[in-house]
Amino acid sequence: KNEVEQSPQNLTAQEGEFITINCSYSVGISALHWLQQHPGGGIVSLFMLSSGKKKHGRLIATINIQEKHSSLHITASHPRDSAVYICAVDTSGSRLTFGEGTQLTVNP
Amino acid sequence: DVKVTQSSRYLVKRTGEKVFLECVQDMDHENMFWYRQDPGLGLRLIYFSYDVKMKEKGDIPEGYSVSREKKERFSLILESASTNQTSMYLCASSRAEQYFGPGTRLTVT
Repeated sequence: KNEVEQSPQNLTAQEGEFITINCSYSVGISALHWLQQHPGGGIVSLFMLSSGKKKHGRLIATINIQEKHSSLHITASHPRDSAVYICAVDTSGSRLTFGEGTQLTVNP
Repeated sequence: DVKVTQSSRYLVKRTGEKVFLECVQDMDHENMFWYRQDPGLGLRLIYFSYDVKMKEKGDIPEGYSVSREKKERFSLILESASTNQTSMYLCASSRAEQYFGPGTRLTVT
């Protein structure tokens, strides 16, 4: 069993829909990261959080340390949000363990 | 604007060749990482470094070595490339949040 599990693996939505991607982990962590990868390879860090909730534009990330669970929400989704979203946990000294990613496709 | 650059976007090498992948960051970060990314396996850590001349093995170091002679530069070396090392290679640097380079797609034939 992977230390970091994401669901769903694939998600297709219509423009404007509210989207949720989930991440569960089984190890102790100091922080959890959400990353975005567009076709072509570049990875961008969206959030780093260790408790509570963070918001940036239409993106919201939450974490529940007791339940070892995090969610990434996208409000009013847009085709440009189509990408792979990756959850990663920091177990020690910035060393990350990654989930396999969620492929999101937003259709116009 | 923070920047991590990698020496090549695409690279084709023959089996048995020695391959150098270079990564440079301009953020004065202590931590640097090399990952490979394969379909169905996600990102896996090959090697990382917390400081100049320091290196630590990641999850899949076999067949690879690294060099960090200067703080801003972290090199990944494939001593004798094999076809199972065909992959996307990503470099990252961090102080807390990780910043990724654009990736090098390496094909070994």
